[in-house]
Amino acid sequence: AQKVTQAQTEISVVEKEDVTLDCVYETRDTTYYLFWYKQPPSGELVFLIRRNSFDEQNEISGRYSWNFQKSTSSFNFTITASQVVDSAVYFCALSPGYSSASKIIFGSGTRLSIRP
Amino acid sequence: DAEITQSPRHKITETGRQVTLACHQTWNHNNMFWYRQDLGHGLRLIHYSYGVQDTNKGEVSDGYSVSRSNTEDLPLTLESAASSQTSVYFCASSQGVQETQYFGPGTRLLVL
Repeated sequence: AQKVTQAQTEISVVEKEDVTLDCVYETRDTTYYLFWYKQPPSGELVFLIRRNSFDEQNEISGRYSWNFQKSTSSFNFTITASQVVDSAVYFCALSPGYSSASKIIFGSGTRLSIRP
Repeated sequence: DAEITQSPRHKITETGRQVTLACHQTWNHNNMFWYRQDLGHGLRLIHYSYGVQDTNKGEVSDGYSVSRSNTEDLPLTLESAASSQTSVYFCASSQGVQETQYFGPGTRLLVL
């Protein structure tokens, strides 16, 4: 089965705290891609990162970092020194192997609220 | 700049009416997708297309249809709108297999 689980439905932290959003995926494919998208209160879906299954290096982009661990089928997202503008719903997604072509399977999302 | 647009952004219709939601992209992407977003379900795939004249059903395709007559457009039609189709609809496009999908701004549809 192909599945993405974001167990944290809602998270609320105070500004400047670090916060980690968990993502666990299931797939039998050896080649796959993982994504994170952000949906701010305005409603659009903003692409954040794409990572392929052969690249387990952690990625850092400013205050954002991603930890990909194939051994635990996880692709967690950390925001360092959170800001109010980070408040959004964050979706983790999986694009399975070529058998599923371009389809993306989304998790149900984590609503992140950053309190001033 | 290349973009993906959806129209209308908001729509109110009545049960039983036919509704068409437009999606237009200027990325020249081969692949286009329609999703619906409902509370507690994340995004669910309705239909998708890998190119002109190609259409495929997603996981929640009942009551919806699409057609792809050119690269830029993938309109989504609700043949006979039902209250269960009240949702936010997103169109997306990508260049190739497993490439990043870029999303339109969404259409909020209310079926009364």
